[in-house]
This record gives sequence, C-alpha cells and structure tokens, in this order.
Amino acid sequence: QKEVEQNSGPLSVPEGAIASLNCTYSDRGSQSFFWYRQYSGKSPELIMSIYSNGDKEDGRFTAQLNKASQYVSLLIRDSQPSDSATYLCASRMIYNQGGKLIFGQGTELSVKP
Amino acid sequence: DTEVTQTPKHLVMGMTNKKSLKCEQHMGHRAMYWYKQKAKKPPELMFVYSYEKLSINESVPSRFSPECPNSSLLNLHLHALQPEDSALYLCASSQEDGEGETQYFGPGTRLLVL
Repeated sequence: QKEVEQNSGPLSVPEGAIASLNCTYSDRGSQSFFWYRQYSGKSPELIMSIYSNGDKEDGRFTAQLNKASQYVSLLIRDSQPSDSATYLCASRMIYNQGGKLIFGQGTELSVKP
Repeated sequence: DTEVTQTPKHLVMGMTNKKSLKCEQHMGHRAMYWYKQKAKKPPELMFVYSYEKLSINESVPSRFSPECPNSSLLNLHLHALQPEDSALYLCASSQEDGEGETQYFGPGTRLLVL
C-alpha cells in the first residue's frame, strides 16, 4: 500500500514563529507533491505544489522536497492565527488508467496569538 | 480563475431517496474527480473522469453512480444510501489527468443520510 505519512498534531506555534510541517512518502515513483490547507468545515485549498528536489517559495510559504529521503515539508514563516487549519500533504500516484492523489492524514496547526 | 462550484451545499436524505450532486467548472479542465471526506480524515477518491470517460472507480458501491454529461459538468447520483455514507462530498478538477496536474477542489456538499 502506497502511503503518505504526516504527524497528526496538533502542532502549536506562537504568532510570528515559523511552523514546520513534515510529510514522508513510501512510493519512490511519486513525482508530484502538493500541500493543501483545510479550514474546519471547508474544502481543501491548494497552498503549494512541488515537483523538483529543493525549495520552492511563495510568499510566507516554502515547500521543500527531498526525493532521496522521500520527504516533503512546508514551512510557514511569520505564522498568523489565520494559518490555523489542517494541512494535507498529497503525492500523485500514476495508475495505468490515470492518476490519483494519495493524501496523508493531515497535520492540525494552531497558531496562538 | 480556479473555481469549481458544487450544488447543493447541504443535503439531507432518507435511505430510500434518490438525489443528485452537481459539480461544474468552466476552466477548460478535462479531468474531474469525486472524493468523499469523513470528519478528521483526508479525502478519499471515489471516481475520476478524464475527457468525459470514467477512468478510475475506486470500488465504490453501486448506490453511488457518477455521470459526466459534458466536459464542464459532473454529477453524482445517489440512491438507497446508508447512514454511514454521511460525509462531505468534494468535487475537484485538473487541466488533464496527468503527472503533476494540480487538482482544485469545490466547496463540497455536506450530506446527511437519515
């Protein structure tokens, strides 16, 4: 069974700190990785996608991918209370009939004022 | 614009009812997806349509019947559901069903089966 693993949390950080969310995956064939943010009762919202080893930055968010170690991380700088949500890591797995996203269980982030 | 719309927002149905969920996107995306999400769990894939053809069915019970009338519209027909089918049903779309294609989710339909 191909898996994506995340710590469920909750991860609690003070406002203004860096939040670090981690994810590991078991399928070495996975090439594409996504971070979604999901507020309680709402649908997942794409934060970042990353396909190549290294860092990818978008505003306060930085995604990091290390394919040799099979991990993906998301750093949130200057965390705000509005960042409090569940963060879902997903890898894309290719079937012979198409692709599907494999989601981790999600990490609940709480940013304290 | 990355908007996927879903109707209705909420649905309550009895176990003998027939109802349908609707999803629409006008981004020219050629792949559309149905997911089911229970509380505190990640989304679980149900179906994938690629170029209006069903490409993946994740062994979903036949009481759920998907339909893709055209490239912008995806329906999920519900019949004889069970209380354990109560969940948030999410539709998503992507440019194509290929490597690296980003999926964008709609707001979901919250379904309660009594």
